[in-house]
Amino acid sequence: GENVEQHPSTLSVQEGDSAVIKCTYSDSASNYFPWYKQELGKRPQLIIDIRSNVGEKKDQRIAVTLNKTAKHFSLHITETQPEDSAVYFCAHNNAGNMLTFGGGTRLMVKP
Amino acid sequence: DAMVIQNPRYQVTQFGKPVTLSCSQTLNHNVMYWYQQKSSQAPKLLFHYYDKDFNNEADTPDNFQSRRPNTSFCFLDIRSPGLGDAAMYLCATSRGAKNIQYFGAGTRLSVL
Repeated sequence: GENVEQHPSTLSVQEGDSAVIKCTYSDSASNYFPWYKQELGKRPQLIIDIRSNVGEKKDQRIAVTLNKTAKHFSLHITETQPEDSAVYFCAHNNAGNMLTFGGGTRLMVKP
Repeated sequence: DAMVIQNPRYQVTQFGKPVTLSCSQTLNHNVMYWYQQKSSQAPKLLFHYYDKDFNNEADTPDNFQSRRPNTSFCFLDIRSPGLGDAAMYLCATSRGAKNIQYFGAGTRLSVL
């Protein structure tokens, strides 16, 4: 199958706390895992991606971890700020090498 | 400095009246995608062009067609819009398949 499950669907954190979003996929052949951020009324934008030859990747306050054995990957945002509030989508490449998106997580960072 | 440009940003059409949405890119990417996104949902891939090769998703209705006259432009034609076709339509491009996709700002389609 090519589904990807994303949890939680909504996440509310206090400014400065960490946020973690997890995605689980079923296609063992998937090897590209991007995360997109979509602010209200705006386009999705890539914030970080990881390929299956690495287990973790960091970019400032954002990190992604990948567990290929368990078929899950997670987005970690540390020291959250109000501008991190958005909908986050995970994705992975499917059998046709197109992206299958998770259902999205609405992150709210309370000041 | 917009790299993927969609026009118009908002489109209102009548039930059954054909409508065309356009997308252009300055990135010279060989892959172009059209997604449909309904409120609070993930983008759903309708079809994509890999170079000149058109690839339709299995569950994309026949009502949706696409044209790519050259590398820079891609069009989405909705032949007979229904109320259920009201959505945000996103165009995206990438260099090859498993690479960063750059999205346009989208066209929000309303069907009256």
